[in-house]
Amino acid sequence: DTEVTQTPKHLVMGMTNKKSLKCEQHMGHRAMYWYKQKAKKPPELMFVYSYEKLSINESVPSRFSPECPNSSLLNLHLHALQPEDSALYLCASSQDSLNQPQHFGDGTRLSIL
Amino acid sequence: QKEVEQNSGPLSVPEGAIASLNCTYSDRGSQSFFWYRQYSGKSPELIMSIYSNGDKEDGRFTAQLNKASQYVSLLFRDSQPSDSATYLCAVWGNAGKSTFGDGTTLTVKP
Repeated sequence: DTEVTQTPKHLVMGMTNKKSLKCEQHMGHRAMYWYKQKAKKPPELMFVYSYEKLSINESVPSRFSPECPNSSLLNLHLHALQPEDSALYLCASSQDSLNQPQHFGDGTRLSIL
Repeated sequence: QKEVEQNSGPLSVPEGAIASLNCTYSDRGSQSFFWYRQYSGKSPELIMSIYSNGDKEDGRFTAQLNKASQYVSLLFRDSQPSDSATYLCAVWGNAGKSTFGDGTTLTVKP
């Protein structure tokens, strides 16, 4: 069991669908992250929120849209994805500064048909 | 040159042996260093964090940091088959984010 909860665990969607990935943490952490991980590769940073503000966007295509409604929640809205976007999407959180260790959720395995 | 490089695997050690994983980084201003373990199909799990030069021990694990040589390592004693996983080195640097190495896959053989 992890303290960062991600839903859904698995998602299959077509290229024209709109869906959202959700992440929740109740550790009082103020930094939250989205990563994308392909098989046998390390996690690739997508977005960082610090104190609910977007602080890093790693030039991610606009078909991925992050949202941080409050300090405990992080969403990733998906629209018009491509087959190459199929991957494990990981959410992580850390205390109050970005050089703290990150705690990862179990991830959402996304497949684009 | 990659920002964070780990010793290429896969690495295989017998049960009970010492396993040594190495990581070098290019950003001399890096401040924080982390080791994560990732089992196949699972998410990364933090094992150790180290911030200052020297050794840090936690149970069977010892992290070593040498900022002058831009080198961080993870050793673990009495390796068990359950230690078989991919180990990721992550370095927090001046860009304000953590960069992961490609990982080293370790197999501990009974």
